[in-house]
Amino acid sequence: GAGVSQSPRYKVAKRGQDVALRCDPISGHVSLFWYQQALGQGPEFLTYFQNEAQLDKSGLPSDRFFAERPEGSVSTLKIQRTQQEDSAVYLCASSLTGDSEAFFGQGTRLTVV
Amino acid sequence: QKEVEQNSGPLSVPEGAIASLNCTYSDRVSQSFFWYRQYSGKSPELIMSIYSNGDKEDGRFTAQLNKASQYVSLLIRDSQPSDSATYLCAAFDNTDKLIFGTGTRLQVFP
Repeated sequence: GAGVSQSPRYKVAKRGQDVALRCDPISGHVSLFWYQQALGQGPEFLTYFQNEAQLDKSGLPSDRFFAERPEGSVSTLKIQRTQQEDSAVYLCASSLTGDSEAFFGQGTRLTVV
Repeated sequence: QKEVEQNSGPLSVPEGAIASLNCTYSDRVSQSFFWYRQYSGKSPELIMSIYSNGDKEDGRFTAQLNKASQYVSLLIRDSQPSDSATYLCAAFDNTDKLIFGTGTRLQVFP
């Protein structure tokens, strides 16, 4: 596609509900990154992939967070048993290679009530 | 020290002035640096990348990289109110993770 696409744009979840956030990167981009951004803060790294390999997941806040990219293209970030502190904007970015320019999707704003 | 550090601001400059945004980095980052602009409620937008020592100019924007002092800066000439946004500095660390600073809020007043 022309750009990184994320869906849904907005998600309201009841506490305890599971959610799945989707990221469709730019076609051919090898690297894919997930970030969590709280209001007034910079994007905080969650995890990243090169192709289908998850090379680093050190930023995932708890074992309720899980990400996958099974075919090296679309990625899904799953949050189980959502908590209020999970409320944030979740950003996805992709880059052509491991250290080249990265481009962001529109983000998914998750609100847990 | 965090990998990438920025002053949170806000930095206030009058319209037409030069805005100077700074970022310092640690030894744990590689030599690829990026500046993103983020408007309120929007996602970050890449505006500059710099890979080698010195200056890189693109329109009203100039990125400067000083490896000896471990800082990278962004100059915005002829600042406009539409430049008011948060500017994020980013770099890849030694494991190819893209790390961001906390961002500097820029306010350009008429």
